[in-house]
Amino acid sequence: DAGVTQSPTHLIKTRGQQVTLRCSPKSGHDTVSWYQQALGQGPQFIFQYYEEEERQRGNFPDRFSGHQFPNYSSELNVNALLLGDSALYLCASSLAGKYGYTFGSGTRLTVV
Amino acid sequence: EDKVVQSPLSLVVHEGDTVTLNCSYEVTNFRSLLWYKQEKKAPTFLFMLTSSGIEKKSGRLSSILDKKELFSILNITATQTGDSAVYLCAVEHQGAQKLVFGQGTRLTINP
Repeated sequence: DAGVTQSPTHLIKTRGQQVTLRCSPKSGHDTVSWYQQALGQGPQFIFQYYEEEERQRGNFPDRFSGHQFPNYSSELNVNALLLGDSALYLCASSLAGKYGYTFGSGTRLTVV
Repeated sequence: EDKVVQSPLSLVVHEGDTVTLNCSYEVTNFRSLLWYKQEKKAPTFLFMLTSSGIEKKSGRLSSILDKKELFSILNITATQTGDSAVYLCAVEHQGAQKLVFGQGTRLTINP
Protein backbone atom coordinates (compact mmCIF):
# COMPACT_ATOMS: atom_id res chain seq x y z
CA ASP A 1 0.00 0.00 0.00
CA ALA A 2 1.87 3.05 -1.27
CA GLY A 3 1.94 6.00 1.05
CA VAL A 4 2.30 9.63 0.03
CA THR A 5 5.22 10.29 -2.31
CA GLN A 6 6.81 13.71 -2.68
CA SER A 7 9.50 14.87 -5.07
CA PRO A 8 12.12 16.13 -5.06
CA THR A 9 13.39 15.53 -1.52
CA HIS A 10 15.72 18.52 -1.55
CA LEU A 11 15.94 21.62 -3.71
CA ILE A 12 18.11 24.73 -3.76
CA LYS A 13 16.86 27.77 -5.66
CA THR A 14 17.92 31.38 -6.07
CA ARG A 15 15.78 34.34 -5.03
CA GLY A 16 13.33 35.33 -7.76
CA GLN A 17 13.20 31.88 -9.33
CA GLN A 18 10.16 29.65 -9.60
CA VAL A 19 9.77 26.13 -8.19
CA THR A 20 7.38 23.19 -8.65
CA LEU A 21 6.94 20.50 -6.01
CA ARG A 22 5.05 17.26 -6.64
CA CYS A 23 2.91 14.94 -4.55
CA SER A 24 1.30 11.56 -5.23
CA PRO A 25 -1.39 10.74 -2.67
CA LYS A 26 -1.90 7.49 -0.84
CA SER A 27 -3.83 4.93 -2.85
CA GLY A 28 -7.56 5.45 -2.37
CA HIS A 29 -7.24 9.09 -1.26
CA ASP A 30 -8.75 11.90 -3.33
CA THR A 31 -7.83 15.07 -1.42
CA VAL A 32 -4.40 16.67 -1.22
CA SER A 33 -3.35 19.41 1.21
CA TRP A 34 -0.08 21.31 1.27
CA TYR A 35 1.67 22.64 4.36
CA GLN A 36 4.75 24.82 4.89
CA GLN A 37 6.91 24.09 7.92
CA ALA A 38 9.57 26.68 8.74
CA LEU A 39 12.45 25.63 10.96
CA GLY A 40 11.33 25.22 14.56
CA GLN A 41 7.66 25.84 13.76
CA GLY A 42 4.58 23.71 13.26
CA PRO A 43 3.24 23.15 9.73
CA GLN A 44 1.07 25.94 8.29
CA PHE A 45 -1.79 25.15 5.91
CA ILE A 46 -1.25 26.50 2.39
CA PHE A 47 -4.20 25.08 0.43
CA GLN A 48 -6.19 21.96 -0.35
CA TYR A 49 -7.26 20.38 -3.62
CA TYR A 50 -10.27 18.17 -4.26
CA GLU A 51 -11.80 17.23 -7.60
CA GLU A 52 -9.07 19.23 -9.33
CA GLU A 53 -10.14 22.47 -7.65
CA GLU A 54 -8.72 24.53 -4.80
CA ARG A 55 -11.19 24.01 -1.97
CA GLN A 56 -9.53 25.73 0.98
CA ARG A 57 -6.72 28.28 1.20
CA GLY A 58 -4.62 29.47 4.09
CA ASN A 59 -3.01 32.86 4.58
CA PHE A 60 -0.45 32.63 1.77
CA PRO A 61 0.13 35.09 -1.10
CA ASP A 62 -0.84 34.44 -4.70
CA ARG A 63 2.78 33.52 -5.45
CA PHE A 64 1.73 30.13 -4.10
CA SER A 65 -0.46 28.23 -6.53
CA GLY A 66 -1.32 24.63 -7.17
CA HIS A 67 -2.94 22.08 -9.33
CA GLN A 68 -4.54 18.67 -8.98
CA PHE A 69 -4.59 16.17 -11.82
CA PRO A 70 -7.29 13.60 -12.68
CA ASN A 71 -5.21 10.86 -10.98
CA TYR A 72 -5.37 12.95 -7.74
CA SER A 73 -1.68 13.84 -7.77
CA SER A 74 -0.86 17.47 -7.12
CA GLU A 75 1.72 20.19 -7.72
CA LEU A 76 2.65 23.20 -5.64
CA ASN A 77 4.15 26.14 -7.53
CA VAL A 78 5.90 29.07 -5.91
CA ASN A 79 6.86 32.09 -8.03
CA ALA A 80 9.32 34.90 -7.29
CA LEU A 81 10.98 32.99 -4.47
CA LEU A 82 11.97 34.85 -1.33
CA LEU A 83 14.52 33.83 1.29
CA GLY A 84 11.57 33.39 3.68
CA ASP A 85 10.13 30.65 1.49
CA SER A 86 12.90 28.33 2.69
CA ALA A 87 11.08 25.57 4.55
CA LEU A 88 9.97 21.94 4.54
CA TYR A 89 6.92 21.56 2.30
CA LEU A 90 4.65 18.72 3.35
CA CYS A 91 1.88 17.11 1.38
CA ALA A 92 -0.95 15.29 3.16
CA SER A 93 -3.58 13.15 1.48
CA SER A 94 -7.00 12.15 2.77
CA LEU A 95 -10.36 10.83 1.63
CA ALA A 96 -13.06 13.48 1.49
CA GLY A 97 -15.48 13.24 4.39
CA LYS A 98 -13.42 10.64 6.24
CA TYR A 99 -11.04 10.93 9.18
CA GLY A 100 -7.35 10.46 8.70
CA TYR A 101 -4.44 12.15 6.97
CA THR A 102 -1.25 10.60 5.62
CA PHE A 103 1.79 12.84 5.30
CA GLY A 104 4.64 12.54 2.85
CA SER A 105 8.27 12.98 3.82
CA GLY A 106 8.34 16.47 2.42
CA THR A 107 10.51 18.57 0.14
CA ARG A 108 13.21 20.67 1.79
CA LEU A 109 13.41 23.94 -0.17
CA THR A 110 16.34 26.26 0.40
CA VAL A 111 16.29 29.70 -1.23
CA VAL A 112 19.68 31.45 -1.47
CA GLU B 1 -8.33 33.52 14.71
CA ASP B 2 -7.80 29.80 15.20
CA LYS B 3 -4.98 29.00 17.59
CA VAL B 4 -3.25 25.89 18.91
CA VAL B 5 -0.65 26.34 21.66
CA GLN B 6 1.66 23.61 22.87
CA SER B 7 3.73 23.58 26.02
CA PRO B 8 6.46 23.21 26.88
CA LEU B 9 8.24 24.10 23.64
CA SER B 10 11.23 22.03 24.67
CA LEU B 11 11.77 19.30 27.25
CA VAL B 12 14.86 17.30 28.21
CA VAL B 13 14.47 14.27 30.48
CA HIS B 14 16.30 11.08 31.37
CA GLU B 15 15.43 7.67 30.00
CA GLY B 16 12.74 6.04 32.14
CA ASP B 17 11.07 9.31 33.12
CA THR B 18 7.38 10.04 32.46
CA VAL B 19 6.50 13.15 30.45
CA THR B 20 3.29 15.09 29.88
CA LEU B 21 2.91 17.30 26.83
CA ASN B 22 0.15 19.90 26.69
CA CYS B 23 -1.99 21.27 23.89
CA SER B 24 -4.65 23.98 24.22
CA TYR B 25 -6.77 25.26 21.38
CA GLU B 26 -9.21 27.91 20.24
CA VAL B 27 -10.77 26.68 17.00
CA THR B 28 -14.20 27.26 15.52
CA ASN B 29 -16.18 24.19 14.46
CA PHE B 30 -13.99 21.59 16.12
CA ARG B 31 -13.98 18.15 14.53
CA SER B 32 -11.00 16.30 16.01
CA LEU B 33 -7.63 16.73 17.69
CA LEU B 34 -4.63 14.81 16.43
CA TRP B 35 -1.17 14.08 17.81
CA TYR B 36 1.79 13.42 15.55
CA LYS B 37 5.43 12.45 16.13
CA GLN B 38 7.97 14.07 13.80
CA GLU B 39 11.48 12.67 13.88
CA LYS B 40 13.01 13.90 10.64
CA LYS B 41 10.47 14.85 8.04
CA ALA B 42 7.09 13.11 7.77
CA PRO B 43 4.81 13.53 10.79
CA THR B 44 3.63 10.08 11.85
CA PHE B 45 0.16 9.67 13.32
CA LEU B 46 -0.21 8.83 17.01
CA PHE B 47 -3.79 9.53 18.12
CA MET B 48 -7.02 11.10 17.00
CA LEU B 49 -9.43 12.32 19.68
CA THR B 50 -12.98 13.39 19.06
CA SER B 51 -14.79 12.79 22.36
CA SER B 52 -14.11 14.29 25.73
CA GLY B 53 -12.82 12.17 28.57
CA ILE B 54 -12.01 9.03 26.60
CA GLU B 55 -8.36 8.03 26.91
CA LYS B 56 -6.62 6.62 23.88
CA LYS B 57 -3.68 4.31 24.59
CA SER B 58 -0.95 2.75 22.52
CA GLY B 59 1.78 1.00 24.49
CA ARG B 60 3.56 3.58 26.64
CA LEU B 61 1.71 6.50 25.03
CA SER B 62 -1.71 7.78 26.00
CA SER B 63 -3.78 10.87 25.31
CA ILE B 64 -6.99 12.45 26.51
CA LEU B 65 -9.14 15.35 25.38
CA ASP B 66 -11.14 17.86 27.42
CA LYS B 67 -13.57 19.64 25.07
CA LYS B 68 -14.98 21.82 27.84
CA GLU B 69 -11.61 23.27 28.83
CA LEU B 70 -10.26 23.03 25.23
CA PHE B 71 -7.08 21.09 25.85
CA SER B 72 -5.43 17.74 25.41
CA ILE B 73 -2.45 16.01 26.99
CA LEU B 74 -0.08 13.40 25.64
CA ASN B 75 1.61 11.16 28.22
CA ILE B 76 4.65 9.02 27.61
CA THR B 77 5.70 6.65 30.39
CA ALA B 78 9.05 4.86 30.78
CA THR B 79 10.59 7.05 28.08
CA GLN B 80 13.25 5.67 25.74
CA THR B 81 15.84 7.43 23.58
CA GLY B 82 13.74 6.50 20.55
CA ASP B 83 10.98 8.76 21.87
CA SER B 84 13.18 11.79 21.11
CA ALA B 85 11.29 13.80 18.49
CA VAL B 86 9.07 16.82 17.94
CA TYR B 87 5.48 16.13 19.01
CA LEU B 88 2.86 18.06 17.09
CA CYS B 89 -0.72 18.73 18.12
CA ALA B 90 -3.23 19.66 15.42
CA VAL B 91 -6.92 20.47 15.41
CA GLU B 92 -9.20 19.69 12.48
CA HIS B 93 -12.11 21.88 11.39
CA GLN B 94 -15.55 20.38 10.93
CA GLY B 95 -16.28 20.32 7.21
CA ALA B 96 -13.02 21.95 6.20
CA GLN B 97 -10.62 19.03 6.43
CA LYS B 98 -7.71 21.31 7.21
CA LEU B 99 -5.38 21.06 10.19
CA VAL B 100 -4.24 23.89 12.45
CA PHE B 101 -0.97 22.92 14.12
CA GLY B 102 0.73 24.08 17.27
CA GLN B 103 4.45 24.96 17.32
CA GLY B 104 5.41 21.52 18.52
CA THR B 105 7.23 20.27 21.63
CA ARG B 106 10.82 19.13 21.09
CA LEU B 107 11.38 16.18 23.44
CA THR B 108 14.91 14.96 24.09
CA ILE B 109 15.48 11.76 26.05
CA ASN B 110 19.00 11.38 27.46
CA PRO B 111 20.33 7.91 28.28
